[in-house]
Amino acid sequence: GAVVSQHPSWVICKSGTSVKIECRSLDFQATTMFWYRQFPKQSLMLMATSNEGSKATYEQGVEKDKFLINHASLTLSTLTVTSAHPEDSSFYICSARSTAASPLHFGNGTRLTVT
Amino acid sequence: DQQVKQNSPSLSVQEGRISILNCDYTNSMFDYFLWYKKYPAEGPTFLISISSIKDKNEDGRFTVFLNKSAKHLSLHIVPSQPGDSAVYFCAASVGTSYDKVIFGPGTSLSVIP
Repeated sequence: GAVVSQHPSWVICKSGTSVKIECRSLDFQATTMFWYRQFPKQSLMLMATSNEGSKATYEQGVEKDKFLINHASLTLSTLTVTSAHPEDSSFYICSARSTAASPLHFGNGTRLTVT
Repeated sequence: DQQVKQNSPSLSVQEGRISILNCDYTNSMFDYFLWYKKYPAEGPTFLISISSIKDKNEDGRFTVFLNKSAKHLSLHIVPSQPGDSAVYFCAASVGTSYDKVIFGPGTSLSVIP
């Protein structure tokens, strides 16, 4: 089945630094990738939609200057949390699909802790 | 306002019995509905889906039922196995693609051996 690899699986960083999270589709070309954030005991909240070669579309309330998304190739999208603060600590998950009618395939998520 | 609701945060079922996970939605424009299974510290795994033109879809031990008039769907797992213990997310999307899939809050299923 389709595999999506997300790296790193966990990261601890100091307040004010930036963290980059990678999402790779390993055995298919992902025209669209999605980034989610999950708070404890809550659902996945869509942050942004990333289309290869174009700017990401951010959901309402998500700061695009803080959460930089790059989708430079059909197999890689990155999320950079800039100037991280403790309130950015969360579980970030990416998903990818090969075509518009394909189900989403998720990465294993990244646990970000900002101290 | 939550568009996809899973009112039971947790459910316990005996091994071998049927597990029924429920989901309600408010947006009548939703066309596709999906169920995802999630283990701790992992991303969700696609389980089964159903289009709004159907009222039932079956895949092995998993069956999803859709009642459009009631804006309700359910996932049946039979027989339940201990390995089914996980959080199950109901999700829905508008249109023929899976853009902007809206997830419910999840139901934690425990299958007791």
